[in-house]
This record gives sequence, structure tokens and C-alpha cells, in this order.
Amino acid sequence: ETGVTQTPRHLVMGMTNKKSLKCEQHLGHNAMYWYKQSAKKPLELMFVYSLEERVENNSVPSRFSPECPNSSHLFLHLHTLQPEDSALYLCASSPSLALSYEQYFGPGTRLTVT
Amino acid sequence: AQSVTQLGSHVSVSEGALVLLRCNYSSSVPPYLFWYVQYPNQGLQLLLKYTSAATLVKGINGFEAEFKKSETSFHLTKPSAHMSDAAEYFCAVKNSGYALNFGKGTSLLVTP
Repeated sequence: ETGVTQTPRHLVMGMTNKKSLKCEQHLGHNAMYWYKQSAKKPLELMFVYSLEERVENNSVPSRFSPECPNSSHLFLHLHTLQPEDSALYLCASSPSLALSYEQYFGPGTRLTVT
Repeated sequence: AQSVTQLGSHVSVSEGALVLLRCNYSSSVPPYLFWYVQYPNQGLQLLLKYTSAATLVKGINGFEAEFKKSETSFHLTKPSAHMSDAAEYFCAVKNSGYALNFGKGTSLLVTP
């Protein structure tokens, strides 16, 4: 595997379920990110981790809980979601948090909340 | 504060024609600017980035963009469109913090 991978690629869950999204980067990067991509809206940054420490949480509801056990893996734990949480969730990584670095994105998990 | 405006949510060009996708930014300090492309059911792929080394930036797949400070613009161009260029294109800016601030995207349609 190369680059940034995400599993599952598609997920359908009810509002009372608990599920987790997984992201893995094979690039040796130190920073990882979760973004939400909804129709008709710009990408929204949700969480940022640097060297396994969370450095930013953009007022995301507590029903989304991130976890970064090491610099290669990032999880997004989901519970009691709402239909408006249906979106494409993208994981990204970068060598560090330095401004000049671009972010490398995974293919995303398409989440549908019923 | 920083923001990105992409003019035109949909752009249609004929195969072989010039591609021009517009991006204007607002930033209180010199920014870093990026163009990403997203094909259906895929993540975002970096096309090119501006980091102040040169105002004309060449990217992958024949795309290039020119940074114009006086116009606060970073438009993306390609001399000759190919059918495979049909995708969603995103301009993004970063000059502080950790986030890439994205525009709403422009959907490029290439017709035969």
C-alpha cells in the first residue's frame, strides 16, 4: 500500500450505531487531518494531529471522537450521528504542520446516516 | 482571515480548448496557494502549489497557474483540454494555522 488509505470506503449506519473510520498513511508523515466534505459546501477541517497529539478541534460535535495511536494511524469514532452528518470524510497527512507543505489525501469514506 | 473564491461552479469546454479555472483569495499576508483535483469517488490530488519561489507554477497533467498579487488571483490553466480532465477542481489557501482553506470547487466538463 502506498499513500493514504481509508477504510471502509462506504458506510451506512443508523443514528444509534457506533462505528469507526480508519486512516493509514504510508508516507512517513508526522501530521494527520480529518476533513468533512458535504455537498455544496467547502471542505471543513475537523481535527488535526501532530506527532499523535491533537492540535486543533474545530468545534466539532462530541459525537465525533478522533484517536491517533501513532503517527501512521488515525481513527474517527462515530456514535449517535444525525442525518446531516452524512458526507464524505477525508483523511489527509503532511510531513509536518509547516505552512508550505501540501496535504496528501486519502480516497475518503462515504458515510450515510439513516 | 483568509478565504478563497472560485468563480463559476461549473465550467464546460470542448476537447482541445483552453481550460481556465478562476481563483481569487483574500489574505492579510503572502499566502501559500494550492490547486487540487478530485475525480469521482476519489480523494483530492495535488495539481500544483505556490510557495513564493516563482509566480508561474507548473503542475502535473499539463496544468499551470500564475500568482498575481495585484489581482489576488491564482487562476489555473491548461492549453488543451482532454476528456480525462473532467473532474472537480479546488483552490486552497494557507497562511496561518493548520487548515487548508478551500473554495467551493469548480466542476469541469469536457465535451467531445
